[in-house]
Amino acid sequence: GESVGLHLPTLSVQEGDNSIINCAYSNSASDYFIWYKQESGKGPQFIIDIRSNMDKRQGQRVTVLLNKTVKHLSLQIAATQPGDSAVYFCAENQGGNEKLTFGTGTRLTIIP
Amino acid sequence: DTEVTQTPKHLVMGMTNKKSLKCEQHMGHRAMYWYKQKAKKPPELMFVYSYEKLSINESVPSRFSPECPNSSLLNLHLHALQPEDSALYLCASGAGTGGHEKLFFGSGTQLSVL
Repeated sequence: GESVGLHLPTLSVQEGDNSIINCAYSNSASDYFIWYKQESGKGPQFIIDIRSNMDKRQGQRVTVLLNKTVKHLSLQIAATQPGDSAVYFCAENQGGNEKLTFGTGTRLTIIP
Repeated sequence: DTEVTQTPKHLVMGMTNKKSLKCEQHMGHRAMYWYKQKAKKPPELMFVYSYEKLSINESVPSRFSPECPNSSLLNLHLHALQPEDSALYLCASGAGTGGHEKLFFGSGTQLSVL
């Protein structure tokens, strides 16, 4: 479930199941979005991106869905593996502006 | 080579010390970034350099002083820091297209201010 303040939202998923991580973005002018994965002791690692002229994009085992009407982004990870355990951040950008702003993040834990 | 290298990995400093964080990339990127990340929080943008010029300063206190000697190098000079400045400092680089670009991050410098 979700919580605010000092605690990251968390999601626990059984190994082999699919995961869905959600993100609500704040700026209606944002038109480019990225999902990053951050493992303990490492910097954020690029997973997949999407522009606002698309509502779905697929990568290897990952799919990003964008709903501009409700300013919502989701990351679907198929057949989750132990190596998928990490904190996942969505990030938003407005074209013509170099600023990339990160969302709160979700900690994904894969249960063996 | 898609790597952003940051040194040192860990740094402990007193409030009267002066230290520098270093970042290097060899991807030909023309934009470089400093982010600050507190535990269990998302990275927060501090500075952006585009084509070796400071393009964004997110109202960062002057005790943090960035420097971009060339397009491959980015430094962050630290002076008279406070304990609340303890955090993970992340460097990132991007192509420099002025938005709509993925950033590549280093592993960060974990800074502790005593």
